[in-house]
Amino acid sequence: EAGVAQSPRYKIIEKRQSVAFWCNPISGHATLYWYQQILGQGPKLLIQFQNNGVVDDSQLPKDRFSAERLKGVDSTLKIQPAKLEDSAVYLCASRSTGRGSYEQYFGPGTRLTVT
Amino acid sequence: EDQVTQSPEALRLQEGESSSLNCSYTVSGLRGLFWYRQDPGKGPEFLFTLYSAGEEKEKERLKATLTKKESFLHITAPKPEDSATYLCAVQGSGGGADGLTFGKGTHLIIQP
Repeated sequence: EAGVAQSPRYKIIEKRQSVAFWCNPISGHATLYWYQQILGQGPKLLIQFQNNGVVDDSQLPKDRFSAERLKGVDSTLKIQPAKLEDSAVYLCASRSTGRGSYEQYFGPGTRLTVT
Repeated sequence: EDQVTQSPEALRLQEGESSSLNCSYTVSGLRGLFWYRQDPGKGPEFLFTLYSAGEEKEKERLKATLTKKESFLHITAPKPEDSATYLCAVQGSGGGADGLTFGKGTHLIIQP
């Protein structure tokens, strides 16, 4: 079974530029999450999707971050404009909605550096 | 607000030297407590889920336990390949929103 795929793996941009990250979850996983992991910290939830609907975006900085999952499969996370403090690894995770399936499976992440 | 505190922040052990990592948590209605392993440059890798106090799970040299306030990850006779950052996370009973709240992790180094 293929894991969660993310691209690009690395991105370097200047502050005030925009950037987008892509995620393809494990096949059949209806629930998708985006997390932000700053160096030395644990991942922090940004947004959760169930199919193509948003379940929780309470920690998403909506003035600059946006995310979509139009067809209930792939998802895109965008930052516009980027700030220095957005430098982090952006992790995508997915989960089966089968009964008793609560564990989330993570992709390799996209490392963003804002200069 | 859910909170997770892990200790120690870093731990250096000799190969074969057993030890335990601690995860203290506060959560409004625990749905599950999760342990992940993270290697440098990679995403977290799922290890265990614990659902209720008294529960234990094992995998190779790792054993996770859970009480009402904390969880322990016991590492028995570790090998250098067990070196990684170990993350603990909780999931509260927040209806459909089930994102994880993570601790900062314990950076474990096993020296040959």
